[in-house]
Amino acid sequence: QSVLTQPPSVSGAPGQRVTISCTGSSSNIGAGYDVHWYQQLPGTAPKLLIYGNNNRPSGVPDRFSGSKSGTSASLAITGLQAEDEADYHCQSYDSSLSGPVFGTGTKVTVL
Amino acid sequence: QVQLVQSGAEMKKPGASVRVSCKASGYSFTNYAMHWVRQAPGQRLEWMGWINAGNGNTKYSEKFQGRVTITRDTSASTAYMELSSLRSEDTAVYYCARSATSMKFDNWGQGTLVTVSS
Repeated sequence: QSVLTQPPSVSGAPGQRVTISCTGSSSNIGAGYDVHWYQQLPGTAPKLLIYGNNNRPSGVPDRFSGSKSGTSASLAITGLQAEDEADYHCQSYDSSLSGPVFGTGTKVTVL
Repeated sequence: QVQLVQSGAEMKKPGASVRVSCKASGYSFTNYAMHWVRQAPGQRLEWMGWINAGNGNTKYSEKFQGRVTITRDTSASTAYMELSSLRSEDTAVYYCARSATSMKFDNWGQGTLVTVSS
């Protein structure tokens, strides 16, 4: 089954910049489908963080940014804060599955 | 504001079925799609299927085809997900999530824990 691959964990000190990669294939990200990112705080439902590769919904700080190139996408968090400690999931659409597909998830730890 | 409120936790035995509801408010229910996504303990989010709340058309993930049924009641602005032939591997938190055209999930329910155990 097609999945989007993310690193299991990333960490950084407060104020630092961290990036999370999301590697797909020619049937999803590489086919030109948009990538969306979700933040999941402990014990809560996911929340839309970035949509359409690099757009922030209203209320999301500009410390969060997204990019996409080829078969991969990235989420960057600058000025890392304690409240950013959460799981982050990328998501796209997969033509071989004919449906949405999620990444394997990344836990961000603030040191 | 948009709200998706799901039904409460369920405990089921293997082989049984479970139905989870998702009541929408704060927007025009029939103008959006409703998806169902699950998350088993320590696992990634997994898309199960979706329903066009306007015309009732559905599409299911191949993995769940034949076991999952998604329906909606427009008069109650509520979507339902029924999963049958439950097994222990179906133990997970089940979420409903709204989408428009771009398959981005812009609002999520609070989640419903379904535990399958003998």
